[in-house]
Parts: sequence; structure tokens; C-alpha cells
Amino acid sequence: DAKTTQPPSMDCAEGRAANLPCNHSTISGNEYVYWYRQIHSQGPQYIIHGLKNNETNEMASLIITEDRKSSTLILPHATLRDTAVYYCIVRSTAGQGGSEKLVFGKGTKLTVNP
Amino acid sequence: DAGVIQSPRHEVTEMGQEVTLRCKPISGHDYLFWYRQTMMRGLELLIYFNNNVPIDDSGMPEDRFSAKMPNASFSTLKIQPSEPRDSAVYFCASIRQGEETQYFGPGTRLLVL
Repeated sequence: DAKTTQPPSMDCAEGRAANLPCNHSTISGNEYVYWYRQIHSQGPQYIIHGLKNNETNEMASLIITEDRKSSTLILPHATLRDTAVYYCIVRSTAGQGGSEKLVFGKGTKLTVNP
Repeated sequence: DAGVIQSPRHEVTEMGQEVTLRCKPISGHDYLFWYRQTMMRGLELLIYFNNNVPIDDSGMPEDRFSAKMPNASFSTLKIQPSEPRDSAVYFCASIRQGEETQYFGPGTRLLVL
């Protein structure tokens, strides 16, 4: 079973920041938070991941609370092409002996409106 | 690299027929995963391989499903006999050991009538 809880849907205006929350209250010390998204009819796409520090890349920012029980994915300037289902996943990082597999929950369907 | 390649992209078949889905992972990737996605159950992991060896097939729904990876550049997922409830989108994904990003293929849309 997925170890995360996300709102089923969210809306965002084009050009504004989209803040997608994720609850992972049972996360263990060696587990990372990963975010993937799935644009309609396509395979999931990796966005970002982090352990406890905030992370930023060209796609998004990831803010993880100090107690690591929740996180927020931020798309700073959402576009119509960001409309997708966003999945928050917790798992051990690669190469630490944990399984490489991903367990997907239901995700958040983000709709970016013009 | 062309990314993960899956074929066919669409498959329509009749109940009872054998269906074979194919996947070519990204060159150099050590892990290969087969997922199934339906509206009811979401995205589920069926089986995954490491260096061509099946590691975890606990997600394979029943004996009608089988998967093989004869070499590092090819895997198949076979359903025999197929049933209407097998209708879904089947994704293949691969990752290089030690890296963080799992790359997904475009999926095969299967419809069993």
C-alpha cells in the first residue's frame, strides 16, 4: 500500500504557483520523498526527490517539513502543460539495499486553468 | 537514447486469445518493471527484474500472466488466456542501479473484448 496521502484534486491558475501537499507521517529515516507526474495518456515522469532538505531543480521545488511527516511540491509558474496527476511516493533511495520499486497511490489531479 | 520502447502501442483482442506485450529498456539499465494501470486500481507494479532475473512477481495477478527477460534489452509480458478484466494500460519502466530516476515507456493500451 502507498504510504502517502494526497488530495484527490487541485486547481491552479496559469502563471501562478501550484503547491501540492503530501502527507507521509509514517516515513522512516532512510526513506526519501519522490514526486512523479503523469500527463494524460503518457507514462509517469520523474520530477524531483529529497530526504530532509529542500530541493530545487528545473521543474519544481520540494519543501519537506522538519519532522519529515509532510512535504509540498511547488511548481513556481504553472502552465497548461503542467495539467497532470502528481504522485508523491516514499521509498528507500537507490543503492541502499532497498527495493527499487515504486508504489503509486492515487495522486493529485492538478488542473491548470487559463 | 530513444527511451523505453513498448510495442504494440494499442492491442485489441478477443477473450481467450494470447496477448504478448514487449518492452525494450534503456540501454545500460539494470532494472526493468512492468506496471498495469486501470481506473479502479490505479498504477500497480506487476513484476520487476534485476539483471534479467525476476526479483518480485508478487503483483502478478494470476497464472495467466507471465513475464520473461531473455536478455538485457528485451522483456515480454504475456497473458494467456486473456479476459476482459485484463483491459488496461501496461507500462514498462527501467532504471540504472544507483540512479534515482525510473523511466517509463509510453504504455500499451490493451482492450480485451
